[in-house]
Amino acid sequence: AQSVTQLGSHVSVSEGALVLLRCNYSSSVPPYLFWYVQYPNQGLQLLLKYTSAATLVKGINGFEAEFKKSETSFHLTKPSAHMSDAAEYFCAVIPGDGNKLVFGAGTILRVKS
Amino acid sequence: ETGVTQSPTHLIKTRGQQVTLRCSSQSGHNTVSWYQQALGQGPQFIFQYYREEENGRGNFPPRFSGLQFPNYSSELNVNALELDDSALYLCASSPGGRDTEAFFGQGTRLTVV
Repeated sequence: AQSVTQLGSHVSVSEGALVLLRCNYSSSVPPYLFWYVQYPNQGLQLLLKYTSAATLVKGINGFEAEFKKSETSFHLTKPSAHMSDAAEYFCAVIPGDGNKLVFGAGTILRVKS
Repeated sequence: ETGVTQSPTHLIKTRGQQVTLRCSSQSGHNTVSWYQQALGQGPQFIFQYYREEENGRGNFPPRFSGLQFPNYSSELNVNALELDDSALYLCASSPGGRDTEAFFGQGTRLTVV
């Protein structure tokens, strides 16, 4: 079964520092890949998605992610963290033969002033 | 255009009772998916409806059932509630197609006591 692994349940960075949230997926067929953000007591908001076009995907709020097939990874980055980036981030895939989102366990990002 | 709205936002039920959660999909969207997000976990796929027909189901027992109406709004019904059903229930609508963005509602927080 398709799975998604997010390394690090909690990540803490200083304001202005690089944000790197890791995501690895298991799939024999290139899937569709997504990053979502969830603020407390809210639903999920799409940050970006990869659908087999460019391997470097740019999203909202300055985030981007790079699809690396050889590493089965889709890590999320942002050059400079802002206090408003503090939230929980979920990596998700739609398997090659499926129609549902399979989510990772999430990474809580803390931004220190 | 209006977004995805869910009702109620919070509710408390007693073990063994039944509950109905409602979701109004975004205008123009014919596909609705439901997810269960337990505390500290990523969302888990319950089922999806496409044009009033079930279009995929996750690993949930039959006491989880759903409906989609001609206006593409949807209901999630859970019978014989168990304590482990306590979670945030998320509804997502999309215009169809595996690579299209799913728009999430703010969720319904269900507490079973």
